Amino acid sequence: AQSVTQPDIHITVSEGASLELRCNYSYGATPYLFWYVQSPGQGLQLLLKYFSGDTLVQGIKGFEAEFKRSQSSFNLRKPSVHWSDAAEYFCAAILMDSNYQLIWGAGTKLIIKP
Amino acid sequence: DAMVIQNPRYQVTQFGKPVTLSCSQTLNHNVMYWYQQKSSQAPKLLFHYYDKDFNNEADTPDNFQSRRPNTSFCFLDIRSPGLGDAAMYLCATSRDNVGYSSYNEQFFGPGTRLTVL
Repeated sequence: AQSVTQPDIHITVSEGASLELRCNYSYGATPYLFWYVQSPGQGLQLLLKYFSGDTLVQGIKGFEAEFKRSQSSFNLRKPSVHWSDAAEYFCAAILMDSNYQLIWGAGTKLIIKP
Repeated sequence: DAMVIQNPRYQVTQFGKPVTLSCSQTLNHNVMYWYQQKSSQAPKLLFHYYDKDFNNEADTPDNFQSRRPNTSFCFLDIRSPGLGDAAMYLCATSRDNVGYSSYNEQFFGPGTRLTVL
């Protein structure tokens, strides 16, 4: 079955350190991939997306993600995190066989240490 | 700015008392979605409208209904809320939802947090 996996439920990073959040998908073809961020009690904000073309995509708030077909991954990165980045991050995909609906990962909660 | 608006942001209701959540959009998108999100979980799609065509997810309880009187507005009705229905309810829109297209990108509102007493 098609799925999106975020292996890390929580990640703790020191302020100023680099960040990588993992996302893997299970699907035979290339999906349409997204990263969303959700601050506590808030809605979902799109950070970036990959549809085709350049596999390194730049997003808002200094985030980037790299699509790696060979690893079925779409990991999110930031070179230096700020305390305001503390939030829940969701990876999601649109798959042809999912009736073009969003398939969600379980989310990764990012905790920032001062 | 074009956007997705949800009212109210916080809603408190009593066990069994019907409640309606509303969503409006200025994006003129064809598709509107309702998601339920419980704490520390991913959003779960309840149903969506493509224009006036209603599409219910197979596991959405009958307790949840929806109305879309026009392109801009969509309502979520919970007929008899139970304690398990306390959650964040997210509305989203997309221009389209057919085919592999950037038109499928979903835009989310800020959500309504429902408390059931």
